[in-house]
Amino acid sequence: AQSVTQLGSHVSVSEGALVLLRCNYSSSVPPYLFWYVQYPNQGLQLLLKYTSAATLVKGINDFEAEFKKSETSFHLTKPSAHMSDAAVYFCAVSVSSASKIIFGSGTRLSIRP
Amino acid sequence: DARVTQTPRHKVTEMGQEVTMRCQPILGHNTVFWYRQTMMQGLELLAYFRNRAPLDDSGMPKDRFSAEMPDATLATLKIQPSEPRDSAVYFCASGQRQGGPDTQYFGPGTRLTVL
Repeated sequence: AQSVTQLGSHVSVSEGALVLLRCNYSSSVPPYLFWYVQYPNQGLQLLLKYTSAATLVKGINDFEAEFKKSETSFHLTKPSAHMSDAAVYFCAVSVSSASKIIFGSGTRLSIRP
Repeated sequence: DARVTQTPRHKVTEMGQEVTMRCQPILGHNTVFWYRQTMMQGLELLAYFRNRAPLDDSGMPKDRFSAEMPDATLATLKIQPSEPRDSAVYFCASGQRQGGPDTQYFGPGTRLTVL
């Protein structure tokens, strides 16, 4: 069975600072990994996904994530936070044979002026 | 651009009433998912369909919830009778499987309040 653990339910950074949101996964087979973002009063939106090609995945809005098999991690980063990045971020895992995605509990990102 | 649409966006009803939520998936997508989001439970998968056939509804309370796809352009989630604990935001997502798990595209959600 697959699962993801997001470390930290709430992360606060200053505008312009590095954003680091942590995600660790558990999977007995090679995983597919996703990061979704949810802005207030909206549905989830795909930021990026890992599908066993390059281990460093670039997404929208300058976000990127690196797949590290040895650490079973898929952390999300952004070099410089903007106020508009304030949202809830979800890490998710699936496998090639499945349709459904298992979502983490989410991390709320706050940006300080 | 193509989007998943959901109606209604907001619904307030009284306990015991029937509630029907509708979803129009992105044209060409063959997989539809229903989720429920609450502060306490987070995002829960209720059911999903591929090519209009239900594949998994294990997350759905069977006694009061039902999900259907009358045709490829419409998915419905019905609660009868509704209870206050059903208050949540219900999301529909659609996807197209291409050699791996679907990338899911979410609708804006239906915010349900049961009094």
